[in-house]
Amino acid sequence: GESVGLHLPTLSVQEGDNSIINCAYSNSASDYFIWYKQESGKGPQFIIDIRSNMDKRQGQRVTVLLNKTVKHLSLQIAATQPGDSAVYFCAEMPGGKLIFGQGTELSVKP
Amino acid sequence: GAGVSQSPSNKVTEKGKDVELRCDPISGHTALYWYRQRLGQGLEFLIYFQGNSAPDKSGLPSDRFSAERTGESVSTLTIQRTQQEDSAVYLCASSWTDNQPQHFGDGTRLSIL
Repeated sequence: GESVGLHLPTLSVQEGDNSIINCAYSNSASDYFIWYKQESGKGPQFIIDIRSNMDKRQGQRVTVLLNKTVKHLSLQIAATQPGDSAVYFCAEMPGGKLIFGQGTELSVKP
Repeated sequence: GAGVSQSPSNKVTEKGKDVELRCDPISGHTALYWYRQRLGQGLEFLIYFQGNSAPDKSGLPSDRFSAERTGESVSTLTIQRTQQEDSAVYLCASSWTDNQPQHFGDGTRLSIL
């Protein structure tokens, strides 16, 4: 069936370093992608989105890259801070509902 | 506070009982979604309401699960004859319309004894 998967289940980085979280998606019809951050006991929080007519989109300290050829998404976090520690999910939207991956846990070491 | 609100935040009930979970979406959002999240896992789509269109129920795991939404406001997710495998966090999200960012509530943590 349809799936969105993450290459790494856990990622540990030093405070101040850049983080890269990767994601593969399987549905070629998906035209909208979202990255969410989820802290313990909270609902997912929207970080950044990108539509299929773009390859790159930047926000505050975050950049999303989309490679439609290989169906790959990445989230780059610049100057990672302890407050960035959370589980990060990518999600694709092939029409209406979101399909989530399993998540990557980002741990930031002080 | 104009975010998505869910109640109760926690619910503990005995196997076989019915439960009702409530979601208040962000005012003006026409689309509303329910998801289930098991411990340590991603979100599993359950059901989606968009305006006055028929809901997309394709993610409901069994006929024990149902949901309603009145207009573009409150939604309730009902689970009948609960089973232990229903234990999870149930998350609600809303968006201006479909194909727009979904904004989530903090969920209802459901525990079935």
